Amino acid sequence: DAKTTQPPSMDCAEGRAANLPCNHSTISGNEYVYWYRQIHSQGPQYIIHGLKNNETNEMASLIITEDRKSSTLILPHATLRDTAVYYCIVRSNFGNEKLTFGTGTRLTIIP
Amino acid sequence: GAVVSQHPSRVICKSGTSVKIECRSLDFQATTMFWYRQFPKQSLMLMATSNEGSKATYEQGVEKDKFLINHASLTLSTLTVTSAHPEDSSFYICSARFEGRNYEQYFGPGTRLTVT
Repeated sequence: DAKTTQPPSMDCAEGRAANLPCNHSTISGNEYVYWYRQIHSQGPQYIIHGLKNNETNEMASLIITEDRKSSTLILPHATLRDTAVYYCIVRSNFGNEKLTFGTGTRLTIIP
Repeated sequence: GAVVSQHPSRVICKSGTSVKIECRSLDFQATTMFWYRQFPKQSLMLMATSNEGSKATYEQGVEKDKFLINHASLTLSTLTVTSAHPEDSSFYICSARFEGRNYEQYFGPGTRLTVT
């Protein structure tokens, strides 16, 4: 069963901020929100993860709602190289739980 | 970040032959490695989880006798597709978990298998 819901596709103009939403209404208290992306014909690339606080790194920002039922990945200044499928995944960091991929959002950056 | 490599990146084989794909964690030791398969325009599907020194755990619907997984060391796992058929043509991706960093998983670049 899918633990997350994402829009199938989105477009964003080059240079603008790309905001990718994710719903995870059944997330449990020990589950983190992970974001990965997959550029065509490559392996997935880790972007960011968080538990309940907002997180920022050199690639993106992650905004998690207070009730943790949804989150938004923000790419602040999208470039053409950000065109990819973005996956939002919830996973516990305890034990040996594996990453299970949903269908993701296909983000296309428009020149 | 941690680096995972796969070899070969592309392979073409004839139906009925076997193909071995290698997955290596280059700068960390991975107690657990994962093998995923991805068909065109679909998401990654987990095939199996392997722990170093023990038998792999296969997901439901994945034939363990067809997809042989060996995880003989902390830096190497291999996937052998035996008696390959055209329907096995797919993008195979391995992943290694680094337990020193909250069990984060790092992915290899993938191997494109084409069975003719």
